[in-house]
Amino acid sequence: DAKTTQPPSMDCAEGRAANLPCNHSTISGNEYVYWYRQIHSQGPQYIIHGLKNNETNEMASLIITEDRKSSTLILPHATLRDTAVYYCIVRVAKTGNTPLVFGKGTRLSVIA
Amino acid sequence: GAVVSQHPSRVICKSGTSVKIECRSLDFQATTMFWYRQFPKQSLMLMATSNEGSKATYEQGVEKDKFLINHASLTLSTLTVTSAHPEDSSFYICSARPGQPSNEQFFGPGTRLTVL
Repeated sequence: DAKTTQPPSMDCAEGRAANLPCNHSTISGNEYVYWYRQIHSQGPQYIIHGLKNNETNEMASLIITEDRKSSTLILPHATLRDTAVYYCIVRVAKTGNTPLVFGKGTRLSVIA
Repeated sequence: GAVVSQHPSRVICKSGTSVKIECRSLDFQATTMFWYRQFPKQSLMLMATSNEGSKATYEQGVEKDKFLINHASLTLSTLTVTSAHPEDSSFYICSARPGQPSNEQFFGPGTRLTVL
């Protein structure tokens, strides 16, 4: 799976949009971009994933650049409960038994 | 979404004792389960992959005789930390994957192990 690079930490004001970047310049054509988050002392939670088109669900939006070398996770109206570590993971969709491999992620602090 | 549970959520034990952690998939059958370990302020590190009915595959540096994994059914995997020592204190997280066509991986809430 391709490697990802994320900033170690970010702050965001409550109610504002949180934009979390991820670089994955070595991504290959059959690899998807996945986002998970981990709230303190809990297991990771799936957020969203995409291949090349932008995606949106009830939690977030995922914007993938046309060359697919980077992406941005957008939390449109961040709340204090969105404070967590956010992980961007690149992987092939059908990987059989291959597990998710976590990097260091971005620690997002939402500030009142 | 699919639910994965872990038991216990928190355990404190004395050095030298063994601790068993259970991981259950509550509403789906998990052909594959994964065990991760997370030390404070660090990311999740994969320990092993277990497939129902077969031996687990351990990551490099993880002692298979110390971290015993049993995946006896499609809904249950257990991790036993044998002869635990303080350096084994960590947050242990399991993850389960249903069979094909789904490739999603669902995570349990984690187990906090403290070895005194």
